[in-house]
Amino acid sequence: AQSVTQLGSHVSVSEGALVLLRCNYSSSVPPYLFWYVQYPNQGLQLLLKYTSAATLVKGINGFEAEFKKSETSFHLTKPSAHMSDAAEYFCAVTYGNQFYFGTGTSLTVIP
Amino acid sequence: KAGVTQTPRYLIKTRGQQVTLSCSPISGHRSVSWYQQTPGQGLQFLFEYFSETQRNKGNFPGRFSGRQFSNSRSEMNVSTLELGDSALYLCASSLLGFTNTGELFFGEGSRLTVL
Repeated sequence: AQSVTQLGSHVSVSEGALVLLRCNYSSSVPPYLFWYVQYPNQGLQLLLKYTSAATLVKGINGFEAEFKKSETSFHLTKPSAHMSDAAEYFCAVTYGNQFYFGTGTSLTVIP
Repeated sequence: KAGVTQTPRYLIKTRGQQVTLSCSPISGHRSVSWYQQTPGQGLQFLFEYFSETQRNKGNFPGRFSGRQFSNSRSEMNVSTLELGDSALYLCASSLLGFTNTGELFFGEGSRLTVL
């Protein structure tokens, strides 16, 4: 079965530090990959998506992710964390007509 | 343009009751999908409707059902509620569904508490 694995259910970083949220997928073919963010008491909002046009994908709010086929990874990064980045982040993948989400990573930003 | 609207935002039910949740997608979007979000299981796909037809279904019991109307608004129903059904139910709309774009637009969810 296809799946998405997010390593680390909780990540804490200091304000201004690098943010790295990990996502690995299992797939025999290149999938479409996404990162979504969920702020408290809100729905999910698309951060960025990979659709095979470029391996480095830039999203909103300074986030970016790099697709590495050899590592089956799609890690999310941001050079400098801001307090407003505190939220839950979900990696997701589509295979055919199914949408699979990772279990989420809660990001805490320490002032 | 208006986003995805879910009603009600919060509701409390007791075991054995049933509940109906509503979702109005973004204007022009024909696909509506539903998800259950719980702390233990994360986001789990319930089903997707496209042009009034259920096109995809997740691994949930028959107590969970849905439908889509001609104006693309969708409802989901849970019958014979169990404590484990307590969750945030999210609805998402997209223009074409789970195709190449794959971009989903989510509502704020309906938080169901079963006592």
